Amino acid sequence: GENVEQHPSTLSVQEGDSAVIKCTYSDSASNYFPWYKQELGKRPQLIIDIRSNVGEKKDQRIAVTLNKTAKHFSLHITETQPEDSAVYFCAALNQAGTALIFGKGTTLSVSS
Amino acid sequence: DGGITQSPKYLFRKEGQNVTLSCEQNLNHDAMYWYRQDPGQGLRLIYYSQIVNDFQKGDIAEGYSVSREKKESFPLTVTSAQKNPTAFYLCASSNQGTGRPQHFGDGTRLSIL
Repeated sequence: GENVEQHPSTLSVQEGDSAVIKCTYSDSASNYFPWYKQELGKRPQLIIDIRSNVGEKKDQRIAVTLNKTAKHFSLHITETQPEDSAVYFCAALNQAGTALIFGKGTTLSVSS
Repeated sequence: DGGITQSPKYLFRKEGQNVTLSCEQNLNHDAMYWYRQDPGQGLRLIYYSQIVNDFQKGDIAEGYSVSREKKESFPLTVTSAQKNPTAFYLCASSNQGTGRPQHFGDGTRLSIL
């Protein structure tokens, strides 16, 4: 079935370092890939998304890259800050285009 | 997003009891979704609805039921057939069409008494 694998499950970095989270998807027809940030006890918030006609997208310290051939996409956070600490989820649109399939999440810890 | 309201925030269920989680949105979104979140499991899709009076099962629909009588409302019932209902439940909505961002509510935490 359709699946999204996310790695690593936990990531610890020092403040100011970069963090990279990687996801792979199984359905080559997927064409939309959002990333969500969820702080403890709060709702997931969309932080960036990318569509399959684009290879990279940036928004300040956050960037997402997409490799359609390899069916993987990555989130890059530069100059990390303690407030970046959260669980990050990647997702891919299913084949029917009706629902998102989520990865299992990455817990990012940024220590000062 | 203030446009999606889930209630209650906390809910307790007794054995053999059905409970209903409320989700209301004022974003004029066509599509609504219910997810279950367990530690280390990510978000798993229970049911979704693309339009009023129509809904589809997600990956883990067994033991749950939904209705979509109004565009703004998508209540989820956790039935007694769901043997492990303890989880965090998230409702989301989006505009119709491919690749529309989903916006989430604050969630309901369901526990068993």
